[in-house]
Amino acid sequence: GENVEQHPSTLSVQEGDSAVIKCTYSDSASNYFPWYKQELGKGPQLIIDIRSNVGEKKDQRIAVTLNKTAKHFSLHITETQPEDSAVYFCAASIRTGNRDDKIIFGKGTRLHILP
Amino acid sequence: DTAVSQTPKYLVTQMGNDKSIKCEQNLGHDTMYWYKQDSKKFLKIMFSYNNKELIINETVPNRFSPKSPDKAHLNLHINSLELGDSAVYFCASSQRQGAGANVLTFGAGSRLTVL
Repeated sequence: GENVEQHPSTLSVQEGDSAVIKCTYSDSASNYFPWYKQELGKGPQLIIDIRSNVGEKKDQRIAVTLNKTAKHFSLHITETQPEDSAVYFCAASIRTGNRDDKIIFGKGTRLHILP
Repeated sequence: DTAVSQTPKYLVTQMGNDKSIKCEQNLGHDTMYWYKQDSKKFLKIMFSYNNKELIINETVPNRFSPKSPDKAHLNLHINSLELGDSAVYFCASSQRQGAGANVLTFGAGSRLTVL
């Protein structure tokens, strides 16, 4: 079936510490895994993504890892700052009956950065 | 210039009414989407259109009717509104092929409250 599981649902970390959010997916044909950040009152914004031909990708304080065999991927935020507080969504591409993909989202992780 | 713009931002209406939400994108993308975000922040795809053609319909009640007059616009009309339709509705767009395929750009959302 089409499923993206995300954990934890809520995460509180001390400012300066690292935060890790984990996701698993069910469709072995999925080949695109984006992460979105949603701030209060705004739409989700893409912060990093990874495609299945890559195991790891990094952009400044944010990194994503992908394990296709185990069908799981993770978001790592280092040196967290107050502005990192938001809801984070993982997602995976699901192939539909035609050549188009749809993006299915996990249930989100509310990240609190504590001063 | 706003890349994906939705109107209205807020909509409060009575059960049984009919309402519409409009969406426009100026990114030159081929594909547009409607997502529904409920009170628990779950993001679920509803519809996807590619160049005015419906390509994804996620078994949404037929009270919901999307309309795409051209590839830059995707409107959502909802008939006979029910309490359970209360949510934030997000429009998004993406390229269909190439490096930008599946990379979603979201609008700011339209919060619908049904009384």
